Amino acid sequence: DQQVKQNSPSLSVQEGRISILNCDYTNSMFDYFLWYKKYPAEGPTFLISISSIKDKNEDGRFTVFLNKSAKHLSLHIVPSQPGDSAVYFCAASQAGTALIFGKGTTLSVSS
Amino acid sequence: NAGVTQTPKFQVLKTGQSMTLQCAQDMNHNSMYWYRQDPGMGLRLIYYSASEGTTDKGEVPNGYNVSRLNKREFSLRLESAAPSQTSVYFCASNLGGYEQYFGPGTRLTVT
Repeated sequence: DQQVKQNSPSLSVQEGRISILNCDYTNSMFDYFLWYKKYPAEGPTFLISISSIKDKNEDGRFTVFLNKSAKHLSLHIVPSQPGDSAVYFCAASQAGTALIFGKGTTLSVSS
Repeated sequence: NAGVTQTPKFQVLKTGQSMTLQCAQDMNHNSMYWYRQDPGMGLRLIYYSASEGTTDKGEVPNGYNVSRLNKREFSLRLESAAPSQTSVYFCASNLGGYEQYFGPGTRLTVT
């Protein structure tokens, strides 16, 4: 059974608009969440993370929101740029153990 | 710093052949990981090594073996390759916390 779910396989957004990528999880023991970005033929690169003791973390154009009661997190990208087009993976960890990844969402930003 | 390096980048095997995927990191990280990525499946953990001298199974270990040769190097061996092992393999490392750093991947095809 999937513990980390990204239910939208793809998302298309216009340049300058907001991109919202969603992630749901089932294990209430997860205490840390991460977003990774992956371009074709490259390895995933770390984007932003959030601890379960927080509900928001910002880094430039990227903001991650965590709703623990709903077991839901989202990544907001504002404004979206064509270079943001990539696959985005949500990942979760419990007490520093191995990361559990979602299946990914392909973001396409058109100019 | 090269970060995490993987060799080879591409490999084609016939069913039943064996091979070893190599991974090295120059960041003095304690923990190293092997993942596979299949279309629509996200990244799934095969094996990991929390520290030099230790290895543990992940979600999908069957058909694989690993060796933590030293602190820098972590290899993945396929003893008898099967078509189901056609995938992209990623090695990652970290200091033992949450954020992992990934290599560029090895694209393996088993015919």
